[in-house]
Amino acid sequence: NAGVTQTPKFRVLKTGQSMTLLCAQDMNHEYMYWYRQDPGMGLRLIHYSVGEGTTAKGEVPDGYNVSRLKKQNFLLGLESAAPSQTSVYFCASSYGSSGMYTGELFFGEGSRLTVL
Amino acid sequence: GNSVTQMEGPVTLSEEAFLTINCTYTATGYPSLFWYVQYPGEGLQLLLKATKADDKGSNKGFEATYRKETTSFHLEKGSVQVSDSAVYFCAFVASGGYQKVTFGTGTKLQVIP
Repeated sequence: NAGVTQTPKFRVLKTGQSMTLLCAQDMNHEYMYWYRQDPGMGLRLIHYSVGEGTTAKGEVPDGYNVSRLKKQNFLLGLESAAPSQTSVYFCASSYGSSGMYTGELFFGEGSRLTVL
Repeated sequence: GNSVTQMEGPVTLSEEAFLTINCTYTATGYPSLFWYVQYPGEGLQLLLKATKADDKGSNKGFEATYRKETTSFHLEKGSVQVSDSAVYFCAFVASGGYQKVTFGTGTKLQVIP
């Protein structure tokens, strides 16, 4: 029962360093998302994908890039980390096919990133 | 624009007390409405949902009714338990906005024995 798996779960970076967060889902979901969670801000959508090879910007995309080369994986990259990117990052996936969309998201356990 | 407003926390209740967490939304058309719950150290998980006006979603003793006239989806539980301590998020998907879920800021609930 893997569901949505995120790696790594914790990471500390120095300003200017780069890193990639990996999200993998085994439910054959079409849609995948990256959110960040900050105190008092709730969850904010960074980028999302509606299928293999597609990506789109969400609410707060600046400073991040994403790729969806395989249906089951969604990568979030930080090219030059900044302290403002200190946050907890959540990947989520959902089923969507031929316009059928329930809105139910399945979340990973989160990745806590600290940028010094 | 589309948005969700939910009551600020934290909310502290004694075990077996009645719980209400208010949620109102601003969206065009007929959105689908959700409550998600986040237990400590975990990701969010769907608690309940309603997809049309007057629908009532329910799960684990929690209920919420989709009120189109007041654009609200308040979460209620008659008797909370210590195990209900978590952060609760109200959310919606706008009609026609099938790719994106909009979340509220979350309400932390602490239930004390």
